[in-house]
Amino acid sequence: KAGVTQTPRYLIKTRGQQVTLSCSPISGHRSVSWYQQTPGQGLQFLFEYFSETQRNKGNFPGRFSGRQFSNSRSEMNVSTLELGDSALYLCASSLGQGSDEQYFGPGTRLTVT
Amino acid sequence: AQRVTQPEKLLSVFKGAPVELKCNYSYSGSPELFWYVQYSRQRLQLLLRHISRESIKGFTADLNKGETSFHLKKPFAQEEDSAMYYCALSGGETSGSRLTFGEGTQLTVNP
Repeated sequence: KAGVTQTPRYLIKTRGQQVTLSCSPISGHRSVSWYQQTPGQGLQFLFEYFSETQRNKGNFPGRFSGRQFSNSRSEMNVSTLELGDSALYLCASSLGQGSDEQYFGPGTRLTVT
Repeated sequence: AQRVTQPEKLLSVFKGAPVELKCNYSYSGSPELFWYVQYSRQRLQLLLRHISRESIKGFTADLNKGETSFHLKKPFAQEEDSAMYYCALSGGETSGSRLTFGEGTQLTVNP
């Protein structure tokens, strides 16, 4: 089966701009989670969507938001970008139970200048 | 609050030597523990999870609730084991698919 896909793979934005990242989960998976990966903070959970509803949220400011569509595809949006938002953003899909394997995408590398 | 600690950022061993990657956690309930691995230029992928109690690529991990540890072990390391290893915790049914990751351990297996 096709893996998790993320678009775009690379992105360069300027401070103050906003950005939207997209994630297409594995077919049949209803849960999509987003993570931010940085050298200093490691992998940090942003939020999880399950059946179009946000089920969990991490400790990130309100500038970070997301949504999920009826076909389980998910988008995350970051408004008013800051230099510190430069990171690799990973999404992962799963069936939605806590013990399920999560399948990760290749990530979107966001650089804020 | 849930937390995962991997005390070693870097670990270097020789081929054929035993390897142990340490992982300690704090969680008030009954967690699900996982090891994820990222090989060079590849995606993060599941290596093993404690509920499966299986050995993958020769690796095993035992959940020790008394010591709140989930160390990853392999008796004879191979060069292809060189990768970044992350220990992760899920709160089970109450926290959905949310994973809390440790900082990761970069394992290098030298020839």
